[in-house]
Amino acid sequence: EPEVTQTPSHQVTQMGQEVILRCVPISNHLYFYWYRQILGQKVEFLVSFYNNEISEKSEIFDDQFSVERPDGSNFTLKIRSTKLEDSAMYFCAPGRGRGTEAFFGQGTRLTVV
Amino acid sequence: AQTVTQSQPEMSVQEAETVTLSCTYDTSESDYYLFWYKQPPSRQMILVIRQEAYKQQNATENRFSVNFQKAAKSFSLKISDSQLGDAAMYFCAYRPQRGNQFYFGTGTSLTVIP
Repeated sequence: EPEVTQTPSHQVTQMGQEVILRCVPISNHLYFYWYRQILGQKVEFLVSFYNNEISEKSEIFDDQFSVERPDGSNFTLKIRSTKLEDSAMYFCAPGRGRGTEAFFGQGTRLTVV
Repeated sequence: AQTVTQSQPEMSVQEAETVTLSCTYDTSESDYYLFWYKQPPSRQMILVIRQEAYKQQNATENRFSVNFQKAAKSFSLKISDSQLGDAAMYFCAYRPQRGNQFYFGTGTSLTVIP
């Protein structure tokens, strides 16, 4: 059974539009991560979130990106003004602690046109 | 900086045979974790196996096992009795003990030939 559910599974948006990707963990997790995978490339780290704040972020995670847990359960990734190069699979990956494996969701395929 | 290298972009194996996927990594840390993830065409990332660096014993999960060589910084995945459902992209990943993020290799595309 998956540890997390991501919605939507696929989103098409116009360049410059805002998108919100959602992640709903099934059980209690302390850590949340967002990763992205541009088609044909490796999985890249975006951001980690612990105790309701960002604990680490990569160079990719610039001012256009933000994360939050609006209701203490759902975990969202927002891209304020999408660019063509934001087209990718976005994976939410909750984890239970340091060193443990991350349980990747099924991903959201974002297509920016 | 931590890097993970998978030198085999593509591999193929006959059904029921054994195949080994290679992975090397670079780190100055002594404690860390290593993982193999499988990504089928659905593109979901599925954990296959994990290894703690402090453990000398190689991890095993059913038909999947690893050959962890800490001194050589090598972490290969062996798939025994390959099945058609094993066909996927396989990613090797490194995670430092005190860090949060995973570092992934570029992946190996495995084809299983019936």
